[in-house]
Amino acid sequence: SQQGEEDPQALSIQEGENATMNCSYKTSINNLQWYRQNSGRGLVHLILIRSNEREKHSGRLRVTLDTSKKSSSLLITASRAADTASYFCATDGRAGSARQLTFGSGTQLTVLP
Amino acid sequence: NAGVTQTPKFRVLKTGQSMTLLCAQDMNHEYMYWYRQDPGMGLRLIHYSVGEGTTAKGEVPDGYNVSRLKKQNFLLGLESAAPSQTSVYFCASSYSAREAFFGQGTRLTVV
Repeated sequence: SQQGEEDPQALSIQEGENATMNCSYKTSINNLQWYRQNSGRGLVHLILIRSNEREKHSGRLRVTLDTSKKSSSLLITASRAADTASYFCATDGRAGSARQLTFGSGTQLTVLP
Repeated sequence: NAGVTQTPKFRVLKTGQSMTLLCAQDMNHEYMYWYRQDPGMGLRLIHYSVGEGTTAKGEVPDGYNVSRLKKQNFLLGLESAAPSQTSVYFCASSYSAREAFFGQGTRLTVV
């Protein structure tokens, strides 16, 4: 089963509003990442937060991490129509001696103009 | 700087045919991954590699094989394609499971 699960599966908001997406995971991690995917394209890295960090900002993005609850949230402030995309969280888990990057099922964000 | 390049971009196979998907990266990354993405689902890890000459199974490895003979290349093979393997395949590379760079995907249809 996938390590990360996003919530909600779909989110529709008006331009200018804030969008919040949540991610829950199952095992211990070294870091958690958020990616964006425009329709028909590959994923693009947005932000990485380490397991010893609680909050991180990048432009209009704010990510929080609660390792005690095994959860993270991505906040996009002042959303724009161009933010319409799918957003995925990814965690690095350890399988034996190797680290693998596993993704959740994503949140489809639609920002209405 | 091309980043991660996947070939081909599109392919239609008949059931039972074989093919190889090629992924090439020019960032000297140690880690490379193959994922499949199906409608309504996230990316599921097929196989991955943590360095030249090494490969490991991911979440959904059955029906696929991989090879990493050169650090910059990661090949995904389908020996006998099945309709269940119809999907969009993404390759990615990263430095030690950190920020991953993705290719543009290969859309595979098995009829």
